[in-house]
Amino acid sequence: NAGVTQTPKFRILKIGQSMTLQCAQDMNHNYMYWYRQDPGMGLKLIYYSVGAGITDKGEVPNGYNVSRSTTEDFPLRLELAAPSQTSVYFCASHPLQGGGQETQYFGPGTRLLVL
Amino acid sequence: GQNIDQPTEMTATEGAIVQINCTYQTSGFNGLFWYQQHAGEAPTFLSYNVLDGLEEKGRFSSFLSRSKGYSYLLLKELQMKDSASYLCAVRDRDYQLIWGAGTKLIIKP
Repeated sequence: NAGVTQTPKFRILKIGQSMTLQCAQDMNHNYMYWYRQDPGMGLKLIYYSVGAGITDKGEVPNGYNVSRSTTEDFPLRLELAAPSQTSVYFCASHPLQGGGQETQYFGPGTRLLVL
Repeated sequence: GQNIDQPTEMTATEGAIVQINCTYQTSGFNGLFWYQQHAGEAPTFLSYNVLDGLEEKGRFSSFLSRSKGYSYLLLKELQMKDSASYLCAVRDRDYQLIWGAGTKLIIKP
């Protein structure tokens, strides 16, 4: 298994440009998440999904959109990039909750710089 | 609001023991996680506590007191490779993870 993969690893955007951050997992996990991590800060939840066709906003969804057409893929869309969106973006997944320790598995991250 | 507090940075000596504290105030509680994050890398799972008490896993142990809203991560026989940030995260009543800002641990020879 490749686990959770993310592309690209690094990207520079100009203000106002748009892009899609790709995330895929091959573990058949129902739950998928997008986080951003600013320097010296904890992870902030942007959007999450509990299964194909279902998405929900997290703590900081403004400026972002997601879709979940398949179990495997969970892309994050930035429509009008702003300097405040400069951050490291992590995608994570875990299997269906069963009352135990559903550990989140993280992708390697995408570093985004908006200038 | 929901809040998780951890020290920003700690320094310890190779071979020693260090305790990283985490206090939390969340809407509900469904477990507490500790993750390790090396610089420039993704977080990786270390431990999980849902009941009060100590969970031991090799050189790492994690303690939880739900009544006090308190946890600690204990690292023994410190090695240079333990230099990393340690993130405390609490799963709230909606089963969402609330993350602390992390504690940067610096290990000196």
